[in-house]
Amino acid sequence: AQSVTQLDSQVPVFEEAPVELRCNYSSSVSVYLFWYVQYPNQGLQLLLKYLSGSTLVESINGFEAEFNKSQTSFHLRKPSVHISDTAEYFCAVSKSVNTGFQKLVFGTGTRLLVSP
Amino acid sequence: KAGVTQTPRYLIKTRGQQVTLSCSPISGHRSVSWYQQTPGQGLQFLFEYFSETQRNKGNFPGRFSGRQFSNSRSEMNVSTLELGDSALYLCASSSGQGGSYNSPLHFGNGTRLTVT
Repeated sequence: AQSVTQLDSQVPVFEEAPVELRCNYSSSVSVYLFWYVQYPNQGLQLLLKYLSGSTLVESINGFEAEFNKSQTSFHLRKPSVHISDTAEYFCAVSKSVNTGFQKLVFGTGTRLLVSP
Repeated sequence: KAGVTQTPRYLIKTRGQQVTLSCSPISGHRSVSWYQQTPGQGLQFLFEYFSETQRNKGNFPGRFSGRQFSNSRSEMNVSTLELGDSALYLCASSSGQGGSYNSPLHFGNGTRLTVT
């Protein structure tokens, strides 16, 4: 079964410091991995995705994630965070269900707290 | 394009009542998925509709139901409300099969349901 583990429920960091949010997945088949971000009182927004090809994927606001098959990880990183990056971040994997369709399975989320 | 619209944003109900939540997907999107978000359980998949047909269903009791109309708008209904149904209910639309690798989910801001 495909599942996602986010190891940290909360990550406090100072502004302009680097950050890494960890995500591990379990799957015996090809995976499609996603990071979503949820700002306070809003829904989730797609941050970036890995489908195939280059193992390093980037978002438009400076985040990047690296797909590591040997370590079954898809950690999210940013070299220098801003106050506005304060949000909850969800790692997700696309899972095949019995009906032949797919659905997203989300991790429990990591709350990133950026302070001045 | 307008985003996914969910109404109402906030709702307070008492135990035993029923509630209907509404979701208007992005124009042109035919798939609508529903998720329940709680601090304890995280994001839990409820169901997905595509062209008025339910394609996927999560592990929720029969009190939770939904439907999709010909214009792709969707509603979900919860009958005989329990205290544990208090949550943020998120709707997401996609152009193809929701949750699949080539059809990312676009989320609304959610409806926060409080059951007293």
